[in-house]
Amino acid sequence: DQQVKQNSPSLSVQEGRISILNCDYTNSMFDYFLWYKKYPAEGPTFLISISSIKDKNEDGRFTVFLNKSAKHLSLHIVPSQPGDSAVYFCAASDYRGKLIFGQGTELSVKP
Amino acid sequence: DAGVTQSPTHLIKTRGQHVTLRCSPISGHKSVSWYQQVLGQGPQFIFQYYEKEERGRGNFPDRFSARQFPNYSSELNVNALLLGDSALYLCASSPDYEQFFGPGTRLTVL
Repeated sequence: DQQVKQNSPSLSVQEGRISILNCDYTNSMFDYFLWYKKYPAEGPTFLISISSIKDKNEDGRFTVFLNKSAKHLSLHIVPSQPGDSAVYFCAASDYRGKLIFGQGTELSVKP
Repeated sequence: DAGVTQSPTHLIKTRGQHVTLRCSPISGHKSVSWYQQVLGQGPQFIFQYYEKEERGRGNFPDRFSARQFPNYSSELNVNALLLGDSALYLCASSPDYEQFFGPGTRLTVL
């Protein structure tokens, strides 16, 4: 069963606009959530995280929102830049620390 | 500061062979995890080690094994390779919840 789902395989956004990437999870035991960015032939790069006791975390252009009742999190990138074009993975972790990843969303930011 | 390093970068093996992948964590990180990523999917958890002890194991066959050394570096071993083992193998080190990934080893099984 897919415990972490990213239902949009791809997203295309105009430069300067907002990019919103979504992620749903099923396991209420997850207590930490992370977003990673991945370029081809490279390992995932950590972007931003959020603890389950919070509902928002901001870091520069990146903001993650967590809705525990809906078991949903989203990553907002404002403003989007062409260099943001990559595959974005959300991941969830329980107290044991292993990460469960979604399938990824490929973001394309057009100039 | 050096990030997570992995070796080799690329590897080609034939079915039935054995492979050893290596990982050096970020200095000060005591936990190392291994993931397998096949095309079009997110990374799948294989193992986690902390202070040389196995802390977790994913849904992979016994052909997969790993260990962590006193300097916190780690090896992933895969025996009796199958075509389906072709993937990007990622190592991550962590001080806490946040895991930092290396560039990966691309394994091709022919």
